[in-house]
Amino acid sequence: SAVISQKPSRDICQRGTSLTIQCQVDSQVTMMFWYRQQPGQSLTLIATANQGSEATYESGFVIDKFPISRPNLTFSTLTVSNMSPEDSSIYLCSVRKRGGGNEQFFGPGTRLTVL
Amino acid sequence: AQTVTQSQPEMSVQEAETVTLSCTYDTSESDYYLFWYKQPPSRQMILVIRQEAYKQQNATENRFSVNFQKAAKSFSLKISDSQLGDAAMYFCVRHSGGSNYKLTFGKGTLLTVNP
Repeated sequence: SAVISQKPSRDICQRGTSLTIQCQVDSQVTMMFWYRQQPGQSLTLIATANQGSEATYESGFVIDKFPISRPNLTFSTLTVSNMSPEDSSIYLCSVRKRGGGNEQFFGPGTRLTVL
Repeated sequence: AQTVTQSQPEMSVQEAETVTLSCTYDTSESDYYLFWYKQPPSRQMILVIRQEAYKQQNATENRFSVNFQKAAKSFSLKISDSQLGDAAMYFCVRHSGGSNYKLTFGKGTLLTVNP
């Protein structure tokens, strides 16, 4: 498994501002992912965070709105830019470890509320 | 779109009894993985069990077991001797085989365990 931490655990933000969420893993991992979980909903993949290169975004998600960084094999950030109330969600990072069974391990999530 | 369907939005079970959660999925691939994850109120996503599609034997993990029917594209989760700590949202998840490490989540089944 992997121990994953996220900061902040929750935040309340004003419309039009931006928030950066950090994801830290206790060991080097091959792949890191960012998901969004809207209230009462399932998880939707936002993007795959690639180490040393631009993230790969899923349909419906764009870099200008959700810029992602991954400077090394244990850390990534997701920024939610120019927030609106529709961005109120739980944001989770996950990791896949080399040699694993393709399962992903998830961080505890960041609960974001936009007023 | 390749989907994962959980037809039971909510289920309840008496403590110490057995419950089965249903899942069907769509895929055109022959090699893939299936998972059940649980998300308790703490919102931490926890891997419960995984099944590799090329294995005919159903996976088991202590009180958790699956009934994997590949031809029918069915993947149900059985929880035996249910405990209060099993109360959570359960997600059926499909992983695409090969180098595409994306996970597709079902909408979830909320399990209540009654004392």
